[in-house]
Amino acid sequence: TQLLEQSPQFLSIQEGENLTVYCNSSSVFSSLQWYRQEPGEGPVLLVTVVTGGEVKKLKRLTFQFGDARKDSSLHITAAQPGDTGLYLCAGARWSDDKIIFGKGTRLHILP
Amino acid sequence: ETGVTQSPTHLIKTRGQQVTLRCSSQSGHNTVSWYQQALGQGPQFIFQYYREEENGRGNFPPRFSGLQFPNYSSELNVNALELDDSALYLCASSLGVGGTSTDTQYFGPGTRLTVL
Repeated sequence: TQLLEQSPQFLSIQEGENLTVYCNSSSVFSSLQWYRQEPGEGPVLLVTVVTGGEVKKLKRLTFQFGDARKDSSLHITAAQPGDTGLYLCAGARWSDDKIIFGKGTRLHILP
Repeated sequence: ETGVTQSPTHLIKTRGQQVTLRCSSQSGHNTVSWYQQALGQGPQFIFQYYREEENGRGNFPPRFSGLQFPNYSSELNVNALELDDSALYLCASSLGVGGTSTDTQYFGPGTRLTVL
């Protein structure tokens, strides 16, 4: 059962454009993480959000945790080809604090 | 470079065989988690070990088992391989006690297992 739904599944945009990807669930999570994964590598943690409504910025990336702690978004400003990759969200289960991943959004930035 | 290594990089097995995958965690990381990532999917949690004891398990059958050793290495063993076991197997190590979700997990590059 996939508890975390990510959208869109695929996104291809031009360099310089802005984009937002979403991570939604009907479940509440104690924390939520965003990762980026490149071919042939494991996921790399970008950010962890813990508090409902929390916003974190990492250069051109802005992460938001929903007030109800069921959803999150990742906004990229002025996308660059180096942003290309698979973006995964992952929530921590309340029962045992273990991480559940979404299927990911595959992002391709065209130069 | 996360400091987490996995071997082998690729592996081909036939249905019914057994396989052992290996992971070397960052020095000092007491927690290791194993994930299965099928093509086009996100990683699925298999189990976690903390100081050589299993510390949480996902929805995987008992033919998936693991070991963690005092030297920060660990193994994932899969018996009676099935075609659906074909996937990228990732290990991730973390420093925290019991590997809580707010600890940073450092992933290895994975082992690509193909079952024919």
